[in-house]
Amino acid sequence: QVQVAESGGGLVKPGGSLRLSCTASGFIFRHYYMNWVRQTPGKGLEWVGCISNSGVTYFADSVKGRFFISRDNARNSVFLQMNSLTVDDTAVYFCAREVTDEVNFSGSVHLDSWGQGTLVTVSS
Amino acid sequence: DIQLTQSPSFLSASVGDRVTITCRASQGISVSLAWYHQKPGEAPKLLIYGVSFLQSGVPSRFSGSGSGTEFTLTINSLQPEDFATYFCQQLNTYPYTFGQGTKLEI
Repeated sequence: QVQVAESGGGLVKPGGSLRLSCTASGFIFRHYYMNWVRQTPGKGLEWVGCISNSGVTYFADSVKGRFFISRDNARNSVFLQMNSLTVDDTAVYFCAREVTDEVNFSGSVHLDSWGQGTLVTVSS
Repeated sequence: DIQLTQSPSFLSASVGDRVTITCRASQGISVSLAWYHQKPGEAPKLLIYGVSFLQSGVPSRFSGSGSGTEFTLTINSLQPEDFATYFCQQLNTYPYTFGQGTKLEI
């Protein structure tokens, strides 16, 4: 079945960098957009960014220019490179597969499979 | 950016109740509106996509409706496992955005 799993979280000092990985299985990875979403402790969800199947990336304004997303289709993996981290980046980071409705042909887009998340803590 | 405003933020209900959560968008978002729920310590789980389509494996007591800028999630006959936090998300325009969440509690 479809599975995604994040790794690479941890404690990092303000101004530091961290690279998260997301490994997928159970589907033809190279065909799909992949998204990153984060959630601050006890709060809501914030979309971080995504990468298309051809490698085009999109980002939230809050991370643009600091975060970068890449993918390695041979390894069924997507990566989130986070630079110039601040305490506001402390969150659980989720990886999720983006799909376009191919059942009802509505054209709608949604995130159907999520990993369990990896915690990033930015603190001195 | 498209803002999504959910109401209510907190909802108290009982097993067997019917509840409705509203998600209002700051501008039209076509059909890419999804609903998720999340329990503490778990990942969000997709319930509804394309405004009204039920994700495979999700019980039929969940339903979605709406158009334009106003959307609703309805849960008929609440079950104990439904007590969670619910989020709407628009995926029509970058940046994708989420509602602030509705915590459904007993």
